[in-house]
Amino acid sequence: GEEVAQTPKHLVRGEGQKAKLYCAPIKGHSYVFWYQQVLKNEFKFLISFQNENVFDETGMPKERFSAKCLPNSPCSLEIQATKLEDSAVYFCASSQLRQGSNTEAFFGQGTRLTVV
Amino acid sequence: KNQVEQSPQSLIILEGKNCTLQCNYTVSPFSNLRWYKQDTGRGPVSLTIMTFSENTKSNGRYTATLDADTKQSSLHITASQLSDSASYICVVTTATGGGNKLTFGTGTQLKVEL
Repeated sequence: GEEVAQTPKHLVRGEGQKAKLYCAPIKGHSYVFWYQQVLKNEFKFLISFQNENVFDETGMPKERFSAKCLPNSPCSLEIQATKLEDSAVYFCASSQLRQGSNTEAFFGQGTRLTVV
Repeated sequence: KNQVEQSPQSLIILEGKNCTLQCNYTVSPFSNLRWYKQDTGRGPVSLTIMTFSENTKSNGRYTATLDADTKQSSLHITASQLSDSASYICVVTTATGGGNKLTFGTGTQLKVEL
């Protein structure tokens, strides 16, 4: 597709429940990035992929967060046993080249996760 | 610590007026600086990308400047329109051996009124 598609748009989970977010990158883009926006404009990097391989996962809270980008499937970000502080908007972005190069990174519209 | 600070935090201007948003950064080593526009409930959309050697770059009514010596950037919006109401985020890329990282500023919330 011509845009990064994230689903669902909104997700509400009770504390301790699992949450799974999906991202379909733009066709032909090799790199996918996940960001967490907790407060307005406070973007925190979580993880990036080069095709189906993890490229950089230094931002991931590994005990409860996991992510995958499998061939012919949307990428996913899963949170086990959600906590109240996981409430945020999760953005996915994709680009043809790796993060930080002088190529454009296109963002999806985000998934708003609310943990109650 | 790599940081990107933006000012003002929020700004209200009348339609048709110009405004300038500021960005100071302490990110090192520097790779590039981007300005993004984020409408409410939407993902960020890139306005400009500037490398170390670029001093200014325009995109329609948006003009970004970069002073790599003082580590400052500005985004100038000319003849503002109601649709310019959004959050404007300055993002600086760090060049690291393990893969570049984006450091996001906290944004300037712009409101354009009639």
